[in-house]
Amino acid sequence: QVQMVQSEAEMKTPGASVEVSCKASGYTFTSYAINWVRQAPGQGLEWLGRITTHNGNTKYAQKVQGRVTMTTETSTSTVSLELRSLRSGDTAVYYCARERSQGGTHFDSWGQGTLVTVAS
Amino acid sequence: DIQMTQSPSSLSASVGDRVTITCRASQNIINFLNWYQQKPGKAPRLLIYSASSLQSGVPSRFSGSGSGTEFTLTISSLLPEDYATYYCQQSYTTVTFGGGTNVEIK
Repeated sequence: QVQMVQSEAEMKTPGASVEVSCKASGYTFTSYAINWVRQAPGQGLEWLGRITTHNGNTKYAQKVQGRVTMTTETSTSTVSLELRSLRSGDTAVYYCARERSQGGTHFDSWGQGTLVTVAS
Repeated sequence: DIQMTQSPSSLSASVGDRVTITCRASQNIINFLNWYQQKPGKAPRLLIYSASSLQSGVPSRFSGSGSGTEFTLTISSLLPEDYATYYCQQSYTTVTFGGGTNVEIK
């Protein structure tokens, strides 16, 4: 079955960088793009961007553009999100999600989430 | 970005009730609208895509309708496991989510 397994929780200080990984299994990795979505404590869902796994093309949300990099490693079926210059407002659970494109973009499989805490 | 507005932001309902949640888009998104369910501490789960298509494995008591700027998610008869927060999401342009609707026990 499709599984998306994310890396463990991280605690960072303001100004630092964090990398969150997402390892996919149970399907052909390069056939689906992966998106990243975050959720601040008690808040709603915020889309951060997407990466096409067969060629590494990316599209980022304007809010994090310039601070975020998404990468893909086909040999290990893993995508990673790096967020730099962290601030307290980046404290959130970060999710990876597999993208389906039939009838518009939707996310049919999600990772378990990775809590990133930014505090001094 | 397209703004997605859900109403109500929360509701209380009893087991067996029919529940309807509305999502309005700030511009025409045709039918590029999806619905998710999220329980505390868990990742979202896709329920409905393309406004009205039921995701595989999702019970038939969930249904979606609408087009253009107004969409609804209906739970025909609420079960205990349906208490959760529900989000709409548009994909007509850059993905955006609604603010969520918390369905609580009455």
